[in-house]
Amino acid sequence: SYALAQPPSVSVSPGQTATITCSGPTVGDHYASWYQQRPGQSPVVVIFHDTRRPSGIPERFSGSNSGNTATLTITGTQAMDEADYHCQAWDANTVLFGGGTRLTVL
Amino acid sequence: QVQLQESGPGLVKPAETLSLTCNVSGGSITSYYWNWIRQSPGKGLEWIGSFYYSGSSNYNPSLKSRATISPDTSKNQFSLELTSVTAADAAVYFCARGLGPPGRTTFNFWGPGILVTVSS
Repeated sequence: SYALAQPPSVSVSPGQTATITCSGPTVGDHYASWYQQRPGQSPVVVIFHDTRRPSGIPERFSGSNSGNTATLTITGTQAMDEADYHCQAWDANTVLFGGGTRLTVL
Repeated sequence: QVQLQESGPGLVKPAETLSLTCNVSGGSITSYYWNWIRQSPGKGLEWIGSFYYSGSSNYNPSLKSRATISPDTSKNQFSLELTSVTAADAAVYFCARGLGPPGRTTFNFWGPGILVTVSS
């Protein structure tokens, strides 16, 4: 198996829009999910089935998936959104994760 | 609310077998998909495998058949055995519940994770 491609880091100013991409040859063929992981904690799903938000996840989190790239967008980023973000997709019955992106809110 | 809790030895010797257990409360393992996922220090997540109570199981081919995931319905637990461990297997191991079948699964409940070190 292989890791999906994510940028290692993204920086954004408070109130601005953060965009994190996730690329791989079969990303667009299956549903993608996104997980937020704060230091020392377990991942928490923030987007599933490409675009859906679990209950309790703020509306500023949104997702899309087209072609070979899934995208997580955080609109109006807040300091509390600073964390690692991991994408997850599938390839031939195998779960794939991205390498993770460290989001810094400056 | 479903809760998961990993347990097992935090230290395993090279070439030996890593054995972990995930205790599930607030829900039965006879529904949904149940998974093991690991995270090496400072690295991304790696899916190890999953099982569904109907008997189907699925593993990451990169582990070259070293992993086995087994349910224990009498205790509402499931376990992971990983044979012939090396330093590359040192990681935080998470158990997680998968919502949806392969190709559509998202992991909506996770345990806190257990750190496993490989050293003689």
